Amino acid sequence: EAGVTQSPTHLIKTRGQQATLRCSPISGHTSVYWYQQALGLGLQFLLWYDEGEERNRGNFPPRFSGRQFPNYSSELNVNALELEDSALYLCASSLGLQVTDTQYFGPGTRLTVL
Amino acid sequence: ELKVEQNPLFLSMQEGKNYTIYCNYSTTSDRLYWYRQDPGKSLESLFVLLSNGAVKQEGRLMASLDTKARLSTLHITAAVHDLSATYFCAVEGWNNNDMRFGAGTRLTVKP
Repeated sequence: EAGVTQSPTHLIKTRGQQATLRCSPISGHTSVYWYQQALGLGLQFLLWYDEGEERNRGNFPPRFSGRQFPNYSSELNVNALELEDSALYLCASSLGLQVTDTQYFGPGTRLTVL
Repeated sequence: ELKVEQNPLFLSMQEGKNYTIYCNYSTTSDRLYWYRQDPGKSLESLFVLLSNGAVKQEGRLMASLDTKARLSTLHITAAVHDLSATYFCAVEGWNNNDMRFGAGTRLTVKP
């Protein structure tokens, strides 16, 4: 069974541009989570989607947004990129809203903002 | 504001020894997570702890939660080299609107 997949693996953008990151959950999983792992800031929770709806949001500005599609895949969009947005962005999926559901992580997308 | 502190941040231990990683958090929470991250790799979920006194064990790792003390521990028993990784705890705020990670504990197990 395929795990969580993310694309692209690496993404290089310049300041002010927009970045779109994609995530495909494990088949049968309805929840998708996004995390940012930046140097010096550690891991931070970004967004949680389930059944197409945003369920929870971390402490990030509105230029970080996303959506979940009917097939449960998800996009993370970062507008007006800033240098400090350079980070590894991790996506995870789980079965659903049960808090005991294990999250399975994808390999991540390394975003570099120049 | 929810704050999560892990200690130690770096831990070097000999194979076969026992040690404990501590995770303290600042506000009421009833959900605590432990993750493992290998160098250059993604995260692996280890444990979800949901209630006071919860204890979970997987192999040489055992996690516990004391919600009154706002403390979770990850105990390593008879460490082996394969346990070398960075371990993170994460706490979800009581109102489900925040989830904070600790800085991580980089564990190195030496033969």
